[in-house]
Amino acid sequence: EVQLVQSGAEVKKPGATVKISCRASGYTFIDYYIHWVQQAPGKGLEWVGLVDPEDGQTKYAEKFQGKVTISADTSTRTAYLDLRSLTFQDTAVYYCTSYPSHKYGPTWGQGTLVTVSS
Amino acid sequence: QSVLTQPPSVSGAPGQTVTISCTGSSSNIGAGFDVHWYQQLPGTAPKLLMFDHSNRPSGVPDRFSGSTSGTSASLAITGLQAEDEADYYCQSYDSGLLVFGGGTHLTVL
Repeated sequence: EVQLVQSGAEVKKPGATVKISCRASGYTFIDYYIHWVQQAPGKGLEWVGLVDPEDGQTKYAEKFQGKVTISADTSTRTAYLDLRSLTFQDTAVYYCTSYPSHKYGPTWGQGTLVTVSS
Repeated sequence: QSVLTQPPSVSGAPGQTVTISCTGSSSNIGAGFDVHWYQQLPGTAPKLLMFDHSNRPSGVPDRFSGSTSGTSASLAITGLQAEDEADYYCQSYDSGLLVFGGGTHLTVL
């Protein structure tokens, strides 16, 4: 069974950095991109960026350039999303998603709530 | 402003049929990329409702159906039930990136 399991909720102060994780199982990790998606409170889904676990190449949405770094560790089958210089506007749920199986459709993690609060 | 365009809201009475549209362009839906649909209840993660245009994951009732034509896709829900009240999002691909619709809130009257 394809699964993406994310790390738990985080509460951070403005200006801090947070790193959230997404552990994959049930498929060949290096063969499929992992994407990150943001959902701010009361808002829709917005693509943040992706990582190719095979070679570590990344792409970012223009809005998130300079705000995030995405990486992948093939030894632990885990993708990471780093958010830096946090502001209140970064408060959101962040999801990872991948699409390794056209039999079952895209798989999403359960989401990680990042709260920025002073 | 979302890359894919959805109506902000739709509504229907129990038992009726509603359709949610998702309009893209020649670089995403029109290029033949897969379209997926998600249902999101308040406080929960998006749930995959339809993938690759018209495939239902196991457990999704056949009251839900999807189709794609040209640069647009649509999700139809027949025999509306109160539990269908939720937000619905379409998603496709564009230059390897994920693109989303802005979401449609379905109200069951």
